[in-house]
Amino acid sequence: SQQGEEDPQALSIQEGENATMNCSYKTSINNLQWYRQNSGRGLVHLILIRSNEREKHSGRLRVTLDTSKKSSSLLITASRAADTASYFCATASFSGSARQLTFGSGTQLTVLP
Amino acid sequence: DAGVIQSPRHEVTEMGQEVTLRCKPISGHDYLFWYRQTMMRGLELLIYFNNNVPIDDSGMPEDRFSAKMPNASFSTLKIQPSEPRDSAVYFCASSFGTGRYEQYFGPGTRLTVT
Repeated sequence: SQQGEEDPQALSIQEGENATMNCSYKTSINNLQWYRQNSGRGLVHLILIRSNEREKHSGRLRVTLDTSKKSSSLLITASRAADTASYFCATASFSGSARQLTFGSGTQLTVLP
Repeated sequence: DAGVIQSPRHEVTEMGQEVTLRCKPISGHDYLFWYRQTMMRGLELLIYFNNNVPIDDSGMPEDRFSAKMPNASFSTLKIQPSEPRDSAVYFCASSFGTGRYEQYFGPGTRLTVT
């Protein structure tokens, strides 16, 4: 089952604009991660935010986490054509030796040159 | 570092045939995951291992699917007999179990069953 649900399903913007994607989830988590998938490739980890963190930055990426609303957002600033990809949030609810991630359905981002 | 290696990259087979997908995780990673990705169902976790031991196989769709990890550097996912509805991209991923929790994905195997 998919715990994380991304919104919107598809997003098309012009190069240089900012892109915001949202993720909602249902159960308590240890951390939330964002991944990127280029067409025909495997997923690539972008950023991880722990449940006790509210905001995290990495280059042009900014992630926020609101555990009270069970939601997260990924902001990509000054987008580039190379940012065109699908973006997935993944929630982690680790206990004992359990380490599985539950991936959402993804947001397809298209950055137009 | 070579990253996660999967083979073959593409597999086309006829219904009823046995299919074996292979994965070499990143050296030192103690967790290995098998996923299946389709347009209809998205990314599904099939099974994962910790230190070569299966931890959770609840995502394996049916008895036609089996996975093994005979050592820390090799895992297989087998489908026998294959069916057209098994057509998908199968990903292998690996990670550390402590400290850093991100998963590293292989390039995937695109399976087509005709």
